[in-house]
Amino acid sequence: KAGVTQTPRYLIKTRGQQVTLSCSPISGHRSVSWYQQTPGQGLQFLFEYFSETQRNKGNFPGRFSGRQFSNSRSEMNVSTLELGDSALYLCASSLKPGGIAETQYFGPGTRLLVL
Amino acid sequence: GNSVTQMEGPVTLSEEAFLTINCTYTATGYPSLFWYVQYPGEGLQLLLKATKADDKGSNKGFEATYRKETTSFHLEKGSVQVSDSAVYFCALSDGANFGNEKLTFGTGTRLTIIP
Repeated sequence: KAGVTQTPRYLIKTRGQQVTLSCSPISGHRSVSWYQQTPGQGLQFLFEYFSETQRNKGNFPGRFSGRQFSNSRSEMNVSTLELGDSALYLCASSLKPGGIAETQYFGPGTRLLVL
Repeated sequence: GNSVTQMEGPVTLSEEAFLTINCTYTATGYPSLFWYVQYPGEGLQLLLKATKADDKGSNKGFEATYRKETTSFHLEKGSVQVSDSAVYFCALSDGANFGNEKLTFGTGTRLTIIP
């Protein structure tokens, strides 16, 4: 079974631009979560989608948004990029939400550099 | 709120040494506890997990026991190998708090094993 895939793997943008990252979960998984990883802040939860609905959101500004499609693929968008948005963005999928029973499987990440 | 505290890194050990990476947590409910590993240039991989008190998770020679009385989930391995060099993340998911099952991560501990 193929793992979680993320595209693109690397991205360079300039301040003020916007970016869209894509995540395809493991086949059959309906829950997708997004995380931001930076050296200073570590891993921080962005949001989670299940059945095309956002069910959980972290403490990030409104410039960060996401969506999920009917095939469970998810995209996240960052508008008006800032230098501090440079990070590794990780996507994780699970069969359904639920921390006790469900294990999240992570993709390789998209490394975003904002210049 | 939930939080995870890991021992500061980096940790450097010789091959075949005994490894302990400390992890303690604060949670409002009854969390599940996880150790994830991130190899250079890759995303996170689940190493092991435990879902209730006194459970022991184990994988690839690594072990961790869920200690509710000390709110700890320390990672141990009896004899490390060079291939264990990676960043290790302790995490919790408060599955009893429906709608808030997101993973909360520690800051990560970089482990380097010297031949």
